[in-house]
Amino acid sequence: KAGVTQTPRYLIKTRGQQVTLSCSPISGHRSVSWYQQTPGQGLQFLFEYFSETQRNKGNFPGRFSGRQFSNSRSEMNVSTLELGDSALYLCASRRDGGGNSYEQYFGPGTRLTVT
Amino acid sequence: AQSVTQLDSQVPVFEEAPVELRCNYSSSVSVYLFWYVQYPNQGLQLLLKYLSGSTLVKGINGFEAEFNKSQTSFHLRKPSVHISDTAEYFCAVTTTGTASKLTFGTGTRLQVTL
Repeated sequence: KAGVTQTPRYLIKTRGQQVTLSCSPISGHRSVSWYQQTPGQGLQFLFEYFSETQRNKGNFPGRFSGRQFSNSRSEMNVSTLELGDSALYLCASRRDGGGNSYEQYFGPGTRLTVT
Repeated sequence: AQSVTQLDSQVPVFEEAPVELRCNYSSSVSVYLFWYVQYPNQGLQLLLKYLSGSTLVKGINGFEAEFNKSQTSFHLRKPSVHISDTAEYFCAVTTTGTASKLTFGTGTRLQVTL
């Protein structure tokens, strides 16, 4: 079974621009979560989508948004980029529903550099 | 809200020696605990999980961890490490009510040398 895939793997943007990152979950997984990883703040939860609806949200400004499509694929968008948005953005999927569905499986991440 | 503390930011160890990476958590409700490993320029790989049942859980690559509710700990152990175990290890916690929101520790860098 294919794992979680994320595109693109690397991205360089300029301050003020916006960016869209994509995530395809493991087949059959309905929950997709996004995390930001930085050297200073570590791994922080951004939000979770399930059945095309945002179900949980972390403490990030409104510039960070996301959506989920009917096939469970998800995108996250960051508008008006700031230097501090430079990070590794990780997507994780979870089956959600029945059995041991608490474990999350992570993709390789998208490395975003804002200059 | 829950929190995770990884007491050691770096753990140097010689190859074939045993290792323990420490993790303590704080939560007012029942928790689910995980250990993830991150190799350079990669995402997180699930090593093992504690959801319920036996407090000693075994994972991939020869790692195991023991859930200790009274000490609120979930330490990761391996009896004999290999050079290839050099990586960053993260302990994470979630609860029934926030199942998709993992709270991570700050990570422990395991450095295995010959």
